[in-house]
Amino acid sequence: AIQMTQSPLSLSASVGDRVTITCRASQNIRDALGWYQQKPGKAPKFLISDASSLQSGVPSRFSGSGSGTDFSLTISSLQPEDFATYYCLQDYSYPWTFGQGTKVEVK
Amino acid sequence: EVQVVESGGGLAQPGRSLRLSCVGSGFTFDDYSMHWVRQAPGKGLEWVSAITWNGDNVGYADSVKGRFTISRDNPRNSLYLQMHSLRVEDTAIYYCAKDNRHGLDVWGQGTTVTVSS
Repeated sequence: AIQMTQSPLSLSASVGDRVTITCRASQNIRDALGWYQQKPGKAPKFLISDASSLQSGVPSRFSGSGSGTDFSLTISSLQPEDFATYYCLQDYSYPWTFGQGTKVEVK
Repeated sequence: EVQVVESGGGLAQPGRSLRLSCVGSGFTFDDYSMHWVRQAPGKGLEWVSAITWNGDNVGYADSVKGRFTISRDNPRNSLYLQMHSLRVEDTAIYYCAKDNRHGLDVWGQGTTVTVSS
């Protein structure tokens, strides 16, 4: 199975900060990567598909980049509602696999 | 409104079986692959299984392969996860999710499975 390694696993940031989360695949997955946001007690929310395509309704401060094995999610100016846990998910081949998650906390 | 709603969770003893269901509405159910994703208490997300629109292709996480079976009934807009030989480590919230061909765009609220003696 393809392994997805996220970093950091947690970070502390302030409102207005620029935040970047990275995800590395154990093999080439082209652009078959999505990013998801999860808040406590809630189902995940789909943010970005195909490494860099913003889903409808997702604020433009979110962006994704990368291809092959290295990917990143950037929040350009962190807002209060962005404090959450973020996961990458490879959908290149079964079994799909998530990264471990990155918890973004208030500094 | 596009939504999926899970049911069937509960308490089961180790080694027993449980079947989860998910009903989709607000979209053409048989146009889409469907997935199950779980989350153990305090842990991250784990992809469990998926099935294509017509059931011809399925996939499983290594942790459930041989014990869980995914299926669907398109006329009933329903997705299922039959779980056998349950283990304590299968304890989790199980989410049903719709695959829009680019990722999982619609998620249910989850159904809780607890495996304990």
